[in-house]
Amino acid sequence: LAKTTQPISMDSYEGQEVNITCSHNNIATNDYITWYQQFPSQGPRFIIQGYKTKVTNEVASLFIPADRKSSTLSLPRVSLSDTAVYYCLVGSRTSMDTGRRALTFGSGTRLQVQP
Amino acid sequence: GAGVSQTPSNKVTEKGKYVELRCDPISGHTALYWYRQSLGQGPEFLIYFQGTGAADDSGLPNDRFFAVRPEGSVSTLKIQRTERGDSAVYLCASSLGLADAVQFGPGTRLTVL
Repeated sequence: LAKTTQPISMDSYEGQEVNITCSHNNIATNDYITWYQQFPSQGPRFIIQGYKTKVTNEVASLFIPADRKSSTLSLPRVSLSDTAVYYCLVGSRTSMDTGRRALTFGSGTRLQVQP
Repeated sequence: GAGVSQTPSNKVTEKGKYVELRCDPISGHTALYWYRQSLGQGPEFLIYFQGTGAADDSGLPNDRFFAVRPEGSVSTLKIQRTERGDSAVYLCASSLGLADAVQFGPGTRLTVL
């Protein structure tokens, strides 16, 4: 399983752009990169998923360099409600793989947004 | 409902007792996952179902833990002879298939006294 490394915590202010970088040096060819957000007392919530280059949705952008050994989750103009733990996951989406490989969580990055 | 639901939301039991935790996945989702999460940690994979069968149970910590999904929808996680170390939030999740985005339920907080 590809191991991921993220900063333990980050601080930001409302209105700023936040970039959280995740390292996954031994990512496999079939692996996708997925980010989840978790608020206290709630289950994780899917944010975005990508394989290479850039992916953007209504919530965030995901930047993946050509070597795919890292990825950056970008949250534009954060608000207080973006205070949460953000998890970077690496796993294969192929039907041959198991659920464990598809979703292995690390310790995440605790983002604190200040007013 | 629109999302994954789990019952009960909280369960307090005594060491040595048996508990069952229930998960109702999103209708039509064939893949169902169980995780547990301790305070300050990321979710830890337990077991994954594809339909009625357990496709991967390698995360179950020992034989006190067992999960079923007899009709391919609702799933029950069963823990025998509970220990204090079993205290955690147990999360259930489902997806249309393994390649699709996984949606989590709110979890069941289990406390073993």
